[in-house]
Amino acid sequence: GAVVSQHPSRVICKSGTSVKIECRSLDFQATTMFWYRQFPKQSLMLMATSNEGSKATYEQGVEKDKFLINHASLTLSTLTVTSAHPEDSSFYICSARSPPGVGYTFGSGTRLTVV
Amino acid sequence: AQSVTQLGSHVSVSEGALVLLRCNYSSSVPPYLFWYVQYPNQGLQLLLKYTSAATLVKGINGFEAEFKKSETSFHLTKPSAHMSDAAEYFCAVSDGSGGGADGLTFGKGTHLIIQP
Repeated sequence: GAVVSQHPSRVICKSGTSVKIECRSLDFQATTMFWYRQFPKQSLMLMATSNEGSKATYEQGVEKDKFLINHASLTLSTLTVTSAHPEDSSFYICSARSPPGVGYTFGSGTRLTVV
Repeated sequence: AQSVTQLGSHVSVSEGALVLLRCNYSSSVPPYLFWYVQYPNQGLQLLLKYTSAATLVKGINGFEAEFKKSETSFHLTKPSAHMSDAAEYFCAVSDGSGGGADGLTFGKGTHLIIQP
């Protein structure tokens, strides 16, 4: 079945530094990937939609200069949290539109802790 | 605009008992509906989805859900709960079966607790 690999699974960084999260579709091409954020014991909130070869579309209230998304190939999308602050600490999950009949496939998530 | 309401942030059932997790949706177009399960610090696993075919959808791990347009509901059920079913469950809606331009809109989730 369709698999999305997300790395790293956990990362701790110092306030003010940047962190990159990768999301790869392993056995299919993902023209569109979605990035979600999940606070503890809360639901997933869509942050942005990334399309291969074009600019990402950000949801209202999401700072595009802080959350940089790159979708340079059909199998890789990256989310970079720039100048991270403690309030950016969260669980970030990517998702790809997978082949017909499957729908959406999710990565395993990245737990970001900014100290 | 789409929205999902999951009634009950926490549901507790005894092992072997019926599991019923409620989901109501709002959508301006014929919806595609999904149920996902999430274990701690993990991503989401698809349990089942409704894509305008049969209204009764069977998924993995013995779960099923019935789409009721008149009630705008898509409740998730399992006849007999197992300890391994303890997890967070999310109902979600999209405007396409993964083929739309938009991501999923999730409900707030229901934490399922299984009592031994």
